[in-house]
Parts: sequence; structure tokens; C-alpha cells
Amino acid sequence: QKEVEQNSGPLSVPEGAIASLNCTYSDRGSQSFFWYRQYSGKSPELIMFIYSNGDKEDGRFTAQLNKASQYVSLLIRDSQPSDSATYLCAVMDSNYQLIWGAGTKLIIKP
Amino acid sequence: DVKVTQSSRYLVKRTGEKVFLECVQDMDHENMFWYRQDPGLGLRLIYFSYDVKMKEKGDIPEGYSVSREKKERFSLILESASTNQTSMYLCASSLLTGQGLNQPQHFGDGTRLSIL
Repeated sequence: QKEVEQNSGPLSVPEGAIASLNCTYSDRGSQSFFWYRQYSGKSPELIMFIYSNGDKEDGRFTAQLNKASQYVSLLIRDSQPSDSATYLCAVMDSNYQLIWGAGTKLIIKP
Repeated sequence: DVKVTQSSRYLVKRTGEKVFLECVQDMDHENMFWYRQDPGLGLRLIYFSYDVKMKEKGDIPEGYSVSREKKERFSLILESASTNQTSMYLCASSLLTGQGLNQPQHFGDGTRLSIL
């Protein structure tokens, strides 16, 4: 059973600090990695995707991928109260099936 | 921007009814998906489709069927609604995967379905 693991949280971070969200996956052949943000009662919204080892930056968001250690992270710099949401990690495995993590609830404290 | 439209934001039906949930995407995506999302259980794939008239079972297909007569439209059908099918239903679409770089899924706003 292929798995994607996330800490359910809640992760509480002060406003202006860096929020770090982590995700591990079991299928070593996975090629594509996605981060979604989901506000309460709303649908998931794509934030970033990453395919290669290393970092990918987009504004205040940085995705980090380490295939050898089988983890992917999302860093949010200068955290804002509007970043409070559940963050879902999704991994496309070697059979092109998208495996979803259960999500990490992030709370940004003003 | 990708636009995935689900026909209803909220829906209330009775047990035993046949329920249709409609989803339309405007980006000529090959792939379409139906999920349900319940507290503590995350996103669970019900059915997906890679092409017109093609369908594949996901992780929890029991009690559901789907229809894809046109590329842009993917319908989820609850054959005989039951209270345990009360949930948030999410439709998503994506470009064809494979060939290395796999494309992300884009979601509609969701349908919150209550079966009484």
C-alpha cells in the first residue's frame, strides 16, 4: 500500500515567522509532487508542484524535494493569518496514481 | 485559468433517491476525477476517467457510478442514496499524465450533499 504521510497538526506559528510543513512518501519511483491549500469548507487549491530534487520558490512559498530521503516540504515565509488552512501533500506514484496525504492544519497566530 | 464547475454547491436528498452530480471543465483536459472528503478520512477517490466513455474505479466505488459522454463533462451517480453517502463531493480535472512531467489536478468548488 503506497502511502503519503503528513503530521495532522495543528501546527501553530506566529505571524511573520516561517511555517514548515513536511510530507513523506513510500513509493521510491514517485516523480511528481504537489502542495494544495484547503480553507475550511472550500475545495483544495494548488499552490506549487515540484518534479526535481532541490528547491522551487514562488513568492513566499518554497517547495523542497529530497528523493533520496523520500520527503517533500513546503516553507511559507512571512506567515500571514490568511495562510491558516489545511495543507495537503499529493504524490504521483510510479503508476501515475495520485496519492493524497491527510493534510496538516496550520494556524498562524497574530 | 482552469475552470471546473460543479452543478450544485449544496444538495439535500432522501434515502433511496437516485442522485446526479454534474461536473464540467473548460480546459480540454483528458482526465477527470470524483472524490469524496470526510472529516478525518481525507480525500478518497471514487471514480476517474481518462477519455470519453472510459471509466476506472477508484478506492471506494461501491454505491456509485459515473458517466462521461463528452470530454468536458463527468457525472457522478448515486444509484440509491444512503445516509452514509452524506459528504463533500469534489470533482477535479487534469491534463493527460505520463511522459515524465505529470500535471496537477484542478478542483471545482465542491458539492456538499446531505442524505436524509
